[in-house]
Amino acid sequence: DAGVIQSPRHEVTEMGQEVTLRCKPISGHDYLFWYRQTMMRGLELLIYFNNNVPIDDSGMPEDRFSAKMPNASFSTLKIQPSEPRDSAVYFCASSLRAGVQGEQFFGPGTRLTVL
Amino acid sequence: TQLLEQSPQFLSIQEGENLTVYCNSSSVFSSLQWYRQEPGEGPVLLVTVVTGGEVKKLKRLTFQFGDARKDSSLHITAAQPGDTGLYLCAEPSGAQKLVFGQGTRLTINP
Repeated sequence: DAGVIQSPRHEVTEMGQEVTLRCKPISGHDYLFWYRQTMMRGLELLIYFNNNVPIDDSGMPEDRFSAKMPNASFSTLKIQPSEPRDSAVYFCASSLRAGVQGEQFFGPGTRLTVL
Repeated sequence: TQLLEQSPQFLSIQEGENLTVYCNSSSVFSSLQWYRQEPGEGPVLLVTVVTGGEVKKLKRLTFQFGDARKDSSLHITAAQPGDTGLYLCAEPSGAQKLVFGQGTRLTINP
């Protein structure tokens, strides 16, 4: 299995532009998680899906952020408009089961820089 | 709100030395996971501990879960440059989410 695939690996954009991050989870995994990692705040959960349905988006910072999972093999995280404070590494992870009973498999991340 | 504290934040030691890093919670853990994140990659699960007092070994890594389940430690024997990375502990929040600590950034110098 190829593992969790994320694209792009690096994104540099200007403030105000729309940014779309993409994720392909491991086939057969029912849970998909989006995280953001910064030096100041560490690894924070933004939103997670179960069977393509958003379950908890309480970590999404504000309305500029949105996430979708149109099918079991694809998810997007969109930021519109982007701001410099959104600069971070964004990770997608998937798991067969949730919580500590299910190991989360992380993608390599997308490093976003907003100028 | 659960709060995970990891210490130290940064640790830089020479190859061959031993080290211990810690993870503490403001409340009792139901269970705990340890992850390692190498530069430019996502975290990878190392171990899950569930029972108070539990000790698990993974080659040169020894994981201990406190008897009261409020703390955990990771001990590395004879550290090697390949051990370099960010070590994260995580505990469940509710039924399905994980909360991660800030991590210990470990550097092993050849």
